Amino acid sequence: LAKTTQPISMDSYEGQEVNITCSHNNIATNDYITWYQQFPSQGPRFIIQGYKTKVTNEVASLFIPADRKSSTLSLPRVSLSDTAVYYCLVGDNTGFQKLVFGTGTRLLVSP
Amino acid sequence: DVKVTQSSRYLVKRTGEKVFLECVQDMDHENMFWYRQDPGLGLRLIYFSYDVKMKEKGDIPEGYSVSREKKERFSLILESASTNQTSMYLCASSPTDISNYGYTFGSGTRLTVV
Repeated sequence: LAKTTQPISMDSYEGQEVNITCSHNNIATNDYITWYQQFPSQGPRFIIQGYKTKVTNEVASLFIPADRKSSTLSLPRVSLSDTAVYYCLVGDNTGFQKLVFGTGTRLLVSP
Repeated sequence: DVKVTQSSRYLVKRTGEKVFLECVQDMDHENMFWYRQDPGLGLRLIYFSYDVKMKEKGDIPEGYSVSREKKERFSLILESASTNQTSMYLCASSPTDISNYGYTFGSGTRLTVV
């Protein structure tokens, strides 16, 4: 399973765009990149997934360069409620691939 | 909406007790997982199951066992609870293809062993 590295914590203010970068140098050809969000006392929640280039949904955008050795989760105009831990994972899309969570990035959004 | 329901939100048990943590999902998912989460250690996989009556060890299976008699239910068993098993336990489920969907987690059970 490809190992991921992401910053331990980030701070931001309401209304700003936040970009969290994840490095995954050993990503395999069949691997997808997936991001989860976790609020205190809750289980992680799927945010977005991508394979290459750019993916956007109603919550976030995911940018993946051509070499796929890193990816960036972009949260537009964050609010206080975006304060959470964000996990970057890589793996293939079969459920047989057990997900390995690191310690994630703790994002704190202040007023 | 996909739901993964864990039977207890908070649980306090005594050292040496046998503890059952129950998890039920309502989306006919093939795969189910048990993680524990501790400060500074992230989520660690205890056991997972691809199908009824099938189970596979995760990264930290020692001191735990699991049971999956029905597709929708995955139970985690602490054979003899110890204080180092005090933790947040998270159950998750997924279909075989998790494209654009990922895992669905329950809200967790915070277990304290005294």
